[in-house]
Amino acid sequence: AQRVTQPEKLLSVFKGAPVELKCNYSYSGSPELFWYVQYSRQRLQLLLRHISRESIKGFTADLNKGETSFHLKKPFAQEEDSAMYYCALRGTGGGNKLTFGTGTQLKVEL
Amino acid sequence: DTAVSQTPKYLVTQMGNDKSIKCEQNLGHDTMYWYKQDSKKFLKIMFSYNNKELIINETVPNRFSPKSPDKAHLNLHINSLELGDSAVYFCASSLNIGGYTFGSGTRLTVV
Repeated sequence: AQRVTQPEKLLSVFKGAPVELKCNYSYSGSPELFWYVQYSRQRLQLLLRHISRESIKGFTADLNKGETSFHLKKPFAQEEDSAMYYCALRGTGGGNKLTFGTGTQLKVEL
Repeated sequence: DTAVSQTPKYLVTQMGNDKSIKCEQNLGHDTMYWYKQDSKKFLKIMFSYNNKELIINETVPNRFSPKSPDKAHLNLHINSLELGDSAVYFCASSLNIGGYTFGSGTRLTVV
């Protein structure tokens, strides 16, 4: 079974402060991990995938297989980063099914 | 231009009615999905189709019936709507492997 845990339902930071959104996963094989972002009442958009190892909008995430984590980080939060962030996992079987975490609402305050 | 489009965007209906939500993608993707986002913002997969063939059917009541006339379309028909069906329903598509492209969602309210 594949499971994704995002322990924080809400994370509130001040503008300019560092951000870390936590994500832990459970999967017996080699998963692929993603971060999706949903701005208020909009569609989910792909933010990052671990295999591409890129930085989007200043966000980065590193897959740590030892700790089974894929935390999302940004050194300096901006007001426009306020959104819902979902971590997701795709296993090697099961028809390309993405299992999502419960999401973390990031609020960046001035 | 829209990659994954869903209609309608909003749907308000009474309990017991039957309704459909349509989804179309113009990305040439092989696989399409329906996800349900509940009031707590939890996202859960409902169905997945690959080239018109059902490949994922999570524990969804059989009042929900997906239909895929071709690989660019995946519609969701719901019979005998209940209050608990109120949610945002997202359609998505992908290649056989890869990230998803989501539609903008259909906000269903059952009264």
